Amino acid sequence: GENVEQHPSTLSVQEGDSAVIKCTYSDSASNYFPWYKQELGKRPQLIIDIRSNVGEKKDQRIAVTLNKTAKHFSLHITETQPEDSAVYFCAATRDRGSGNTPLVFGKGTRLSVIA
Amino acid sequence: GAVVSQHPSWVICKSGTSVKIECRSLDFQATTMFWYRQFPKQSLMLMATSNEGSKATYEQGVEKDKFLINHASLTLSTLTVTSAHPEDSSFYICSARGRAARGEQFFGPGTRLTVL
Repeated sequence: GENVEQHPSTLSVQEGDSAVIKCTYSDSASNYFPWYKQELGKRPQLIIDIRSNVGEKKDQRIAVTLNKTAKHFSLHITETQPEDSAVYFCAATRDRGSGNTPLVFGKGTRLSVIA
Repeated sequence: GAVVSQHPSWVICKSGTSVKIECRSLDFQATTMFWYRQFPKQSLMLMATSNEGSKATYEQGVEKDKFLINHASLTLSTLTVTSAHPEDSSFYICSARGRAARGEQFFGPGTRLTVL
């Protein structure tokens, strides 16, 4: 089955700097890669996702890149702000259209943005 | 966007009792629902996948007789923790996926279970 590795486990950056979180996956058939932000005691919130037919996707200060050959994908947050502090999870799945394949999550990265 | 609710948001119970958690998709039909457990400072661990009208598929190591899952309709799935023990204390989160979704899951707000 799919296995997702995520690094680093903790990341501290100064406000305004960029943060990069990296994930690798094992199943070459995986084709959907979402990123979630989770604040303490809250539900994971989808912040950006990418499918295997594109290499990069951007949404304001957040971007995700995907390298299918190397089987890794990364989250990039630019101009970080204190409210970006949270735990970020990457995930991967093989979406076959039936809707019943689960997401496999990485172990999470605790991002701290220091003002 | 798609909304998923969970009830209760938190529950405290005595050891040996059973607790039922409800997960509802409010504005879409959820063909598949997933149940996760999250211990403090850890990732989400999939417990089971539930398709409407069929038996749930449990992940390895999850006791199906202890964690009873029912997905009786396209908008409701329930997780019952039977004979709960302190080690079952955790944050339980459901997610739902509709027919139109291409991989995306919508998460409920979670239920914090504390077993005394």
